[in-house]
Amino acid sequence: KQEVTQIPAALSVPEGENLVLNCSFTDSAIYNLQWFRQDPGKGLTSLLLIQSSQREQTSGRLNASLDKSSGRSTLYIAASQPGDSATYLCAVEGIQGAQKLVFGQGTRLTINP
Amino acid sequence: NAGVTQTPKFQVLKTGQSMTLQCAQDMNHEYMSWYRQDPGMGLRLIHYSVGAGITDQGEVPNGYNVSRSTTEDFPLRLLSAAPSQTSVYFCASSTVGRELFFGEGSRLTVL
Repeated sequence: KQEVTQIPAALSVPEGENLVLNCSFTDSAIYNLQWFRQDPGKGLTSLLLIQSSQREQTSGRLNASLDKSSGRSTLYIAASQPGDSATYLCAVEGIQGAQKLVFGQGTRLTINP
Repeated sequence: NAGVTQTPKFQVLKTGQSMTLQCAQDMNHEYMSWYRQDPGMGLRLIHYSVGAGITDQGEVPNGYNVSRSTTEDFPLRLLSAAPSQTSVYFCASSTVGRELFFGEGSRLTVL
């Protein structure tokens, strides 16, 4: 059974810092991996999707990497801003597809002005 | 473009009552799914659908029914609510190989 782990559970950094969020998964037979953002009381917003054949994806100040063989992904946030404060979740889709995602429990990020 | 719309946003039920959580998407997505989010458990898949008329169970399907009569709608039915079903429920949709779009969530409390 696929298990997804995100460490740390919470992170607090001053504004302007570059930071890395970590995601690990136990089964490397994945179709893709997605990073989501969730604001309090809201739904999830997809940030980046990395197909299993890709090594990284970039969107603005965000860069996500994928190392399938080691079962790891990182989300790099450059020049953090208070508006980046949210919970970040990663999720993997198994090779059976059908968008059956397995989620990590998330990292709650706080950017201090 | 409304995206994924869930109703109701909040609901309180008594044990044993039944209800339906509604989900509609206007993006012509083939895939739709329901997740529940609980503290310390993360998001877990309840049921999913790969197209109209096709549904299947996810990780935690017990106590829930779904149907998909149209591409746009994917309702989740609680047959006999239990306190263990107190949770935040999210509906999501996507097309093949693309990112998921989530609704705003439905907060359910079962007393």
